Amino acid sequence: GAGVSQTPSNKVTEKGKYVELRCDPISGHTALYWYRQSLGQGPEFLIYFQGTGAADDSGLPNDRFFAVRPEGSVSTLKIQRTERGDSAVYLCASSQEGGGPYNEQFFGPGTRLTVL
Amino acid sequence: KNQVEQSPQSLIILEGKNCTLQCNYTVSPFSNLRWYKQDTGRGPVSLTIMTFSENTKSNGRYTATLDADTKQSSLHITASQLSDSASYICVVTPTDSWGKLQFGAGTQVVVTP
Repeated sequence: GAGVSQTPSNKVTEKGKYVELRCDPISGHTALYWYRQSLGQGPEFLIYFQGTGAADDSGLPNDRFFAVRPEGSVSTLKIQRTERGDSAVYLCASSQEGGGPYNEQFFGPGTRLTVL
Repeated sequence: KNQVEQSPQSLIILEGKNCTLQCNYTVSPFSNLRWYKQDTGRGPVSLTIMTFSENTKSNGRYTATLDADTKQSSLHITASQLSDSASYICVVTPTDSWGKLQFGAGTQVVVTP
């Protein structure tokens, strides 16, 4: 089916506001990943889900960041009290059932977040 | 300190020429090493994957090599095309935390006519 989709593609917000970024994984993929990519850098791991549960959230920078995947498909990354330093491209990826080290992660186009 | 270092940071090559990108990593133990291509404004797309026991893998005009002893990998692009202009990212999968890929910062390649 279709690839990983992310919405919105661009989000501009003001410092202190709350934002939600959405990821629709490839149908049937049970593993879902969030990354943050700053300009000129490679993606940085934030969190990944196996099904509905967060298997590893050690990359979330602080408690302003939170992600959910209530039905094991769509995921939402939530950022409270945004700061200018949160400005980056947020990438989502998904991989096949079971995940595992050899399952390829397929990436979405990303959401470019700009905090003014 | 980043566990995956890439060089050069950027390079410009003429269409039709070859180039080689380098990746040094300290991730250990690791399950596999991938090279991704990321076009501007798009998500990364996997080009090659090598397990720790493999030392070369090709995908069309892209050839990756891996030396697990020296912890080095390279990506060779043959007969470059304008569409090869992109960022190329080296990614290592740690064995003990396979969900947390370790990314290099990428090499920005610009192919000019």
